[in-house]
Amino acid sequence: EAGVTQSPTHLIKTRGQQATLRCSPISGHTSVYWYQQALGLGLQFLLWYDEGEERNRGNFPPRFSGRQFPNYSSELNVNALELEDSALYLCASSLYYQGRGNQPQHFGDGTRLSIL
Amino acid sequence: QQPVQSPQAVILREGEDAVINCSSSKALYSVHWYRQKHGEAPVFLMILLKGGEQKGHEKISASFNEKKQQSSLYLTASQLSYSGTYFCGINWPGGSEKLVFGKGTKLTVNP
Repeated sequence: EAGVTQSPTHLIKTRGQQATLRCSPISGHTSVYWYQQALGLGLQFLLWYDEGEERNRGNFPPRFSGRQFPNYSSELNVNALELEDSALYLCASSLYYQGRGNQPQHFGDGTRLSIL
Repeated sequence: QQPVQSPQAVILREGEDAVINCSSSKALYSVHWYRQKHGEAPVFLMILLKGGEQKGHEKISASFNEKKQQSSLYLTASQLSYSGTYFCGINWPGGSEKLVFGKGTKLTVNP
């Protein structure tokens, strides 16, 4: 079974530019989560999508946005890039059964975004 | 609201035991444990749910103390492969599937 795949592996941008990161979940998983992992800060929750809808959002500015497509893949867009956006962006997917407790989240290898 | 993990780092010799704690300031619904090796994706280890149901990894165990709002991860007879950073992710009743992760505990197992 293929795992969560993310592209690109590395992305180099300059301040003010826009970045698009992509994620394909494990087959059968409808939920996709995005996390930012900056040095020393652990995993910071960004966004959660399920069945094409944004279900929850972390404490990030509106220039962080995304969407989920009908095939459950997802993209994360970051506009007006700032130096502090440099981080590893991780995508995870899971099954989702409302009211039946949490399911494990399976992570991709991430996209390393560097802002120059 | 970020859970507090302790210790921040621990160094073991192969075969020794370790305990990693994860504490919340709010009542917990579930606790997830993940391990991340340097340069790799976090890997799921275990979920503990309110009410006592436990899922997880065969060689690592964990407890969930609802009263103390705390979970502990137990690594016994550690192996070199246990090295990595361990994260707990928590959510609360009514908090949806969103997980809030601690800052991690770096575990190093030496020969």
